[in-house]
Amino acid sequence: GAVVSQHPSWVICKSGTSVKIECRSLDFQATTMFWYRQFPKQSLMLMATSNEGSKATYEQGVEKDKFLINHASLTLSTLTVTSAHPEDSSFYICSARFLAGGYEQYFGPGTRLTVT
Amino acid sequence: GESVGLHLPTLSVQEGDNSIINCAYSNSASDYFIWYKQESGKGPQFIIDIRSNMDKRQGQRVTVLLNKTVKHLSLQIAATQPGDSAVYFCASPWGNNNDMRFGAGTRLTVKP
Repeated sequence: GAVVSQHPSWVICKSGTSVKIECRSLDFQATTMFWYRQFPKQSLMLMATSNEGSKATYEQGVEKDKFLINHASLTLSTLTVTSAHPEDSSFYICSARFLAGGYEQYFGPGTRLTVT
Repeated sequence: GESVGLHLPTLSVQEGDNSIINCAYSNSASDYFIWYKQESGKGPQFIIDIRSNMDKRQGQRVTVLLNKTVKHLSLQIAATQPGDSAVYFCASPWGNNNDMRFGAGTRLTVKP
């Protein structure tokens, strides 16, 4: 149980275009989903926290107009990278928390974004 | 700000040896810690957790030790295998949302 999926697993897009990444909790309901970004040989850095039905909370330094997050249901959150640039190339990882859970977060497999 | 960090960025061990990966944290109020394993191109995988009311917890081939006095925890892997090669992160919930904050990570390489 507690499986989180991401789609796509990898994507290549041209500079200036937008790309959407989906995060789904497959076998549980998640009121809270988190989006992380990981550059090569670095740790995971939290970008934003997404609560179902409300606006996402962004970490300092993360542009909310560039990284659009939608958490429309208890099993789906999406991250849209708008007007992508090469410096947005990274590994994007989501995680989800049980509806009535405590600290535990379940991580997705990640999405590799390459902007050319 | 509060942080969770690691002492060493890389660790190389011989297959069959025991591995010890260390982590320091700064928030004395942290009461829950998790070790994650991340293989190349994959998301973090839960290994073991420990709450602050414990100083040791054992799993299969893994043991986590917590020293609250010096704000340090370690992950011990017994009889390290090639499949253990990965980056290991310690993490702890932080802030109002209890989101998981990660340390820098230690890359473990197991030599056959």
